[in-house]
Parts: sequence; C-alpha cells; structure tokens
Amino acid sequence: AQSVTQLGSHVSVSEGALVLLRCNYSSSVPPYLFWYVQYPNQGLQLLLKYTTGATLVKGINGFEAEFKKSETSFHLTKPSAHMSDAAEYFCAVSTSGTYKYIFGTGTRLKVLA
Amino acid sequence: NAGVTQTPKFQVLKTGQSMTLQCAQDMNHEYMSWYRQDPGMGLRLIHYSVGAGITDQGEVPNGYNVSRSTTEDFPLRLLSAAPSQTSVYFCASTPYSGTISGANVLTFGAGSRLTVL
Repeated sequence: AQSVTQLGSHVSVSEGALVLLRCNYSSSVPPYLFWYVQYPNQGLQLLLKYTTGATLVKGINGFEAEFKKSETSFHLTKPSAHMSDAAEYFCAVSTSGTYKYIFGTGTRLKVLA
Repeated sequence: NAGVTQTPKFQVLKTGQSMTLQCAQDMNHEYMSWYRQDPGMGLRLIHYSVGAGITDQGEVPNGYNVSRSTTEDFPLRLLSAAPSQTSVYFCASTPYSGTISGANVLTFGAGSRLTVL
C-alpha cells in the first residue's frame, strides 16, 4: 500500500525567499507523484506531476519538484515566494493498476511581507 | 465547460437527517470519486467509480452510499447524518481509457461544506 508524509503542517516564508515543502512517499512499486494546491474556499488544482522520465519536474507558477527514489522524496520548491503563493499544498501518490490516489495531510504556506 | 460541479456549497443538518451531495461533470470522465477533507488529516477517499454501474469503497466508506447511473453524475448519500461527518466534501474526476493508469490528473469540484449538529 502507498502512503504519503508531508513534514510541517504550517510553513512561513518571507516574500522573495525560497519555498521548500517536503513530501516523502512509500510505495512497493514505481509511484506516480503529484503536487496539488488549494486556494481558500476552492477545490484542488494540479501544480505538477511525476510519472516517468526526467526526475526534475517543472510546474505552474514557478514551482518545481525533484523525484529522488533513493530518498523516497518529492519535495516542492520555488526560488522566490510571492504573496499569491499563500495556500495549502498537498502531495499525492498513485501507482499503475490503481485509481486510489493517496493524499498527504497538507502544508499550509504563509508568505510574510 | 463547467468542469466538476458540486451542490450544495453549504449545508447544515441535524443528527439523523439524510441528504445527498450532488456531483456532475461534463468532461465525459469515466472515473469519479468523493473525498472528505478534515483539518490535519488531508483528503481521504470515501468512494469511487470507474464507470456507470461500477462503484467501490475507499478508505472511509462507512456512513456513505453512492451510485452511478450515468457517466455525468455521482451523488453521495448520507442516510443518517452524524456529527463525525461534519467536513468539507470534494468530488473529483479523471478520464479512464480502459486501462488503469494512476498518471491521470484529478479535476476537483469547489467543495461542499457540511455541518452536522
């Protein structure tokens, strides 16, 4: 069975600082990994995903994530935070042969002026 | 296209009442699912369906029923609401091409906030 762990339920960064949101997964077969973002009072929308191939994945709004199999990690980064990045971020995992997407508990990002 | 539409957006129930949360999508997605979102627990899968007439349980199915009579609609029924079902509910859908692929991206509705007193 797959699982996802997001370290840090709340992260605060200053505007212009590096954003790093951590995600570790557990899967006995090659995983598909996703980052979704949820703005207040809205549904989730996809930031980026990793399926196969290049391990550095670029997404929308300047975000990127790197799949590291040896560390079972898929951390989300952005070089320079913007006020509009304030939201809740969810890491999710799935695998071939299943439609059960497993979500982490989420990390709420606060951007300080 | 409207995408995934959920109704109602807000609902307050008394313990023991029943209700149905509606979910409709206009993207011809075969796969549809219901999640509940609770603070500190992320999103947990309640039920899902890979096509009309086919449903299956997720992580937290107790207290909820679903059916899938059309491709477009996937209602979630609470037969006897309990305070533990106070939550925000999300419907999500994705294409299903006849082969199961977890690489497909979920499209979410805007959510339905349910309070059970």
